[in-house]
Amino acid sequence: QSALTQPASVSGSPGQSITISCTGTSSDVGGYKYVSWYQQHPGEAPKLMIYEVSNRPSGVPDRFSGSKSGNTASLTISGLQAEDEAHYYCSSYTPNTALDRVFGGGTKLTVL
Amino acid sequence: EVQLVESGGGLVQPGGSLRLSCAASGFTFNKYWMSWVRQAPGKGLEWVANIKQDGSEKYYVDSVKGRFTISRDNAKNSLYLQMNSLRGEDAAVYYCARDFTAGTTDYWGQGTLVTVSS
Repeated sequence: QSALTQPASVSGSPGQSITISCTGTSSDVGGYKYVSWYQQHPGEAPKLMIYEVSNRPSGVPDRFSGSKSGNTASLTISGLQAEDEAHYYCSSYTPNTALDRVFGGGTKLTVL
Repeated sequence: EVQLVESGGGLVQPGGSLRLSCAASGFTFNKYWMSWVRQAPGKGLEWVANIKQDGSEKYYVDSVKGRFTISRDNAKNSLYLQMNSLRGEDAAVYYCARDFTAGTTDYWGQGTLVTVSS
């Protein structure tokens, strides 16, 4: 069982927007700004898409955005494109536990 | 260009040992925390261990404490993971990862597969 809870799957049509939620506790998501999101295509390494809740690394399209409210973080992808189809994982820094960080179980995004 | 290249994975029997290596290039290695993150087949990501820039601090997930040892050689721009007493549940792709802020990885290697089976 993953420490952070994500929906197993979401789907959307090209051009639409989708949101993936990531629910934790006050010891992780709710307590720190260090929430990140990763995209992983089959057979590839993960790629950082969002860091510190809402920041995009250089090269990540502005169609990807992040936010947080309380113990729940969200990743929103607007203007869905076929290449967005992948697994998405959230992660949170969690220094007051035995772990450095925890991940969500992952969400499979299907572009219809 | 940042590059992280893992090696050392393979098939090992339960109870056996493996040493993973990660060769880093394209950045100043000794300025970053480094981590190992694993992914069991068809499963999600799990942080395994990390190490401070100078090697003075090391942290591990509970399930590998006492069995795995993370280390680094800044002169060789290399990260290592010594894995002993391997179990079936350790089977996974192991990724070398550069940490650029707390609990956050910005670059990942391509991964090396560890299979634990008799």
